[in-house]
Amino acid sequence: GNSVTQMEGPVTLSEEAFLTINCTYTATGYPSLFWYVQYPGEGLQLLLKATKADDKGSNKGFEATYRKETTSFHLEKGSVQVSDSAVYFCALIDNYGQNFVFGPGTRLSVLP
Amino acid sequence: EAQVTQNPRYLITVTGKKLTVTCSQNMNHEYMSWYRQDPGLGLRQIYYSMNVEVTDKGDVPEGYKVSRKEKRNFPLILESPSPNQTSLYFCASSSDRGRPAYEQYFGPGTRLTVT
Repeated sequence: GNSVTQMEGPVTLSEEAFLTINCTYTATGYPSLFWYVQYPGEGLQLLLKATKADDKGSNKGFEATYRKETTSFHLEKGSVQVSDSAVYFCALIDNYGQNFVFGPGTRLSVLP
Repeated sequence: EAQVTQNPRYLITVTGKKLTVTCSQNMNHEYMSWYRQDPGLGLRQIYYSMNVEVTDKGDVPEGYKVSRKEKRNFPLILESPSPNQTSLYFCASSSDRGRPAYEQYFGPGTRLTVT
C-alpha cells in the first residue's frame, strides 16, 4: 500500500535558521503530495501542495518540490520564526482521489 | 465562516458504552473523512465518504461505524468502545473529487478517553 516516511523529530532550531524536513513516499501511479501544519491544540491546516512531478508548492516562506525520481517532497524554509513552532505532516493522496495517507509528523521547535 | 465542527471536543467514557462523535461542515463538500491521531503514528484514516450514502473503509476501520445520510453530516459511531480506541479524532472535508488534488479542511478534534 501507499506510505509516507518523515524524518523523526523533534527538530529544534534557533530563530532565522534554515529548515529542512525530509519526506519520502511509496505509492503507485501519480499521487498528489501535501504538507500540513498543526499548531498546538488545533486541527491540521494545509501548508502547501504539489500535484505532479517537478511542481513546487510554496506558502508563507515554505517550499517543497515534487521529485518523482527520488520519490521525495522535502519541506524547506530559509529563515524560521518562533511562530513556525508546530507539528508538520507530509501526506499523499492516491490517483483516485480517495485514500489519504499521512506521515507520522515532525515536531519543530524554534527558539528565540 | 467556512468550518468543520465536531462534538464533543472532549469525552471520557467506559468500555462498551456506545458513543457517537458528530461532524458537520457548512461548505457543501462532497468528501468527508475521519482520522485518528496517535503519538508516533501520525494520522490514520478510519473511514471516508465520497458523497451521500457512499462510504468506504480507510486504513483502520475496525471498531468504528459511519453513516452519511446528509451531505453536511458524517457521524462516527463506536458501538462498543475499548481502551485501544483512546485517541484524538479529526473529521475533515473537501470539495474537489479529482485531480488536481484538493485541500482538506479539518475540524478542531475530539479527544476520547476510554477507561
